[in-house]
Amino acid sequence: KAGVTQTPRYLIKTRGQQVTLSCSPISGHRSVSWYQQTPGQGLQFLFEYFSETQRNKGNFPGRFSGRQFSNSRSEMNVSTLELGDSALYLCASSLEAGLGGADTQYFGPGTRLTVL
Amino acid sequence: KQEVTQIPAALSVPEGENLVLNCSFTDSAIYNLQWFRQDPGKGLTSLLLIQSSQREQTSGRLNASLDKSSGRSTLYIAASQPGDSATYLCAVTPTGTASKLTFGTGTRLQVTL
Repeated sequence: KAGVTQTPRYLIKTRGQQVTLSCSPISGHRSVSWYQQTPGQGLQFLFEYFSETQRNKGNFPGRFSGRQFSNSRSEMNVSTLELGDSALYLCASSLEAGLGGADTQYFGPGTRLTVL
Repeated sequence: KQEVTQIPAALSVPEGENLVLNCSFTDSAIYNLQWFRQDPGKGLTSLLLIQSSQREQTSGRLNASLDKSSGRSTLYIAASQPGDSATYLCAVTPTGTASKLTFGTGTRLQVTL
C-alpha cells in the first residue's frame, strides 16, 4: 500500500506570493491533517479535514486555508507569504480519526517551503 | 492549554545500551498518546500508539508506557543500535478530537559505535 505522498517536495517563493501544497492520503483514509514544523515552534497543528469538511482548526491566521476533495486528497493554500512561513509542512492521514477507537496517524515526507 | 515536554532534549549513548525517553503532558484528558521518530529532513514515522485506557504498548525493541493520571509517558529502547539515531517525538490528542496532535519538542538521540 502506498504511503502518504506530498507534492512538491521543495518550494521557493518570495514574500507576498501564494502557494498551494498537495497531499494524497493512504488509500481508504478519510482524515487528512496538516502540520507546520519550524525550528522555533516545533510541530504545530494547522487543520484537519474529514469527508471534505474542515473538522478541526489550529491557531493560524486566515492566510492558511485548505480543502479536501471527494477522493480524500487535500490541498493547503497559504496566501500573502511571509518570511516566517518558511517551514516543513507535513500532512498526515488516518483511517477514521474521531469516530471512536485509537487511530494511528501516518505522515508524509513533507514539503519544504522557503520564503525569500 | 495542553503542553507537552520531553526530557532530555538530546542524548548520546553507546551502541547496545538500553535507554529511556521521557514525555510529560499537563492535561490528563487525552484520547491517546503516540510516539514518532523523525530522521533529519524527513517526515514522521509512527512507532507506538497508546490509547488512554492502556498502560503500555510494545513493538520489537520498543516499549512505551502511559500514566495518564500523572501526565507521563516513557519510551524504552532496548539494545540500542546506530540505526536508532533520530529525533523522537511524543504527541497527545485531546479527548474528542483524536486527530489534533499536540507535539513535544523532541529528544535527539545519537547512538554511537
